[in-house]
Amino acid sequence: GAGVSQTPSNKVTEKGKYVELRCDPISGHTALYWYRQSLGQGPEFLIYFQGTGAADDSGLPNDRFFAVRPEGSVSTLKIQRTERGDSAVYLCASSLIAGTGELFFGEGSRLTVL
Amino acid sequence: AQSVAQPEDQVNVAEGNPLTVKCTYSVSGNPYLFWYVQYPNRGLQFLLKYITGDNLVKGSYGFEAEFNKSQTSFHLKKPSALVSDSALYFCAVRDSVPNSGYALNFGKGTSLLVTP
Repeated sequence: GAGVSQTPSNKVTEKGKYVELRCDPISGHTALYWYRQSLGQGPEFLIYFQGTGAADDSGLPNDRFFAVRPEGSVSTLKIQRTERGDSAVYLCASSLIAGTGELFFGEGSRLTVL
Repeated sequence: AQSVAQPEDQVNVAEGNPLTVKCTYSVSGNPYLFWYVQYPNRGLQFLLKYITGDNLVKGSYGFEAEFNKSQTSFHLKKPSALVSDSALYFCAVRDSVPNSGYALNFGKGTSLLVTP
């Protein structure tokens, strides 16, 4: 497709379960970002990939969160032992130029942890 | 450290009137500044950016923003508001200082309501 695609759009899980969220960026965009948006807040940075490598993972809140991008395109955000506080909309964005280029966002994956 | 502030949770304006959504920032070096809009149940969309050059930046849908270094501001403006402009607006900043990372820091957002 033409835009950033995120799946699933909605995920409801139980506390303690493992979750994977997928992002398919715009073709040719080497920069990929994960953000998290809680209700009434702006997007909060989690991790940035340039190609296959995580160039900046300083926003990951703890070691339960992990993300990969093995072939430099699709990325998966993985959350282990989910907690109720992990409930949020997880946003993926891609960019042609890291740093100064505009980000193109997907519609997000809404995660609800019961 | 880099940060951005949007002092207004909500801005109300009548259709046809000019609108301003405020944003101030804090960075160590020079800022890269962005505005994004989020319509209900939609992803964030890029409106405009300031990287360098002319302080007045024009963007999508008739929006513009003025970079003011002395006031560390980057307010979003439009001369004549439309009802369809009603949405959530986010200001974002990134520091140009080397090794400051590539993450954009977003404000908490300002809800714009344009009434007929």
